Amino acid sequence: EVQLVQSGAEVKKPGESLKISCKGSGYSFTSYWIGWVRQMPGKGLEWMGIIYPGDSDTRYSPSFQGQVTISADKSISTAYLQWSSLKASDTAMYYCASSGVYSRNWFDPWGQGTLVTVSS
Amino acid sequence: EIVLTQSPGTLSLSPGERATLSCRASQSVSSSYLAWYQQKPGQAPRLLIYGASSRATGIPDRFSGSGSGTDFTLTISRLEPEDFAVYYCQQYGSKPRTFGQGTKVEIK
Repeated sequence: EVQLVQSGAEVKKPGESLKISCKGSGYSFTSYWIGWVRQMPGKGLEWMGIIYPGDSDTRYSPSFQGQVTISADKSISTAYLQWSSLKASDTAMYYCASSGVYSRNWFDPWGQGTLVTVSS
Repeated sequence: EIVLTQSPGTLSLSPGERATLSCRASQSVSSSYLAWYQQKPGQAPRLLIYGASSRATGIPDRFSGSGSGTDFTLTISRLEPEDFAVYYCQQYGSKPRTFGQGTKVEIK
């Protein structure tokens, strides 16, 4: 069974850096694309980008290009989403999700989400 | 970018009633690369439908998807108490992938 487990909630100040994680299990981690989705408080879902851990091929939505970095460490079956300088507007729930063997695919399953709060 | 517009924003229905949710795309969605997700409060989204009309594993057959091109529909034939939630459509045929803004199905 494909399972994605995300790191715990974070509280940060504006300007700080952050890296959250998503650990995959129950499948060949290097063979499935993993994506990230943002959900701001009380709002809808936003597709951020995806990565293929096998070769670190990464695709970003134009809205998030340059704002975040998606990476993966296949040795520990973990994908990451990181910020170099957080803003208050980065406050949101962030989900990772599997996109299967194709980048052009739906998301299933999803991680449980990581709540990021950025406040001075 | 393909913009997905879901309607209505909120659907107020009683258990046992039929729910019809719409997802309209600003451009044709290639090869019916459209998915539907359900999200309950405090939970991650769950895949219901992919390829516009294929049910995901474990999804009850009261959920059905239809449509092609720019117009897609999610139908819940008879609402169960656990179906009251927010529903999102997503296109994955064009870059960037995009989601609709969601339809909330609430108890009347």
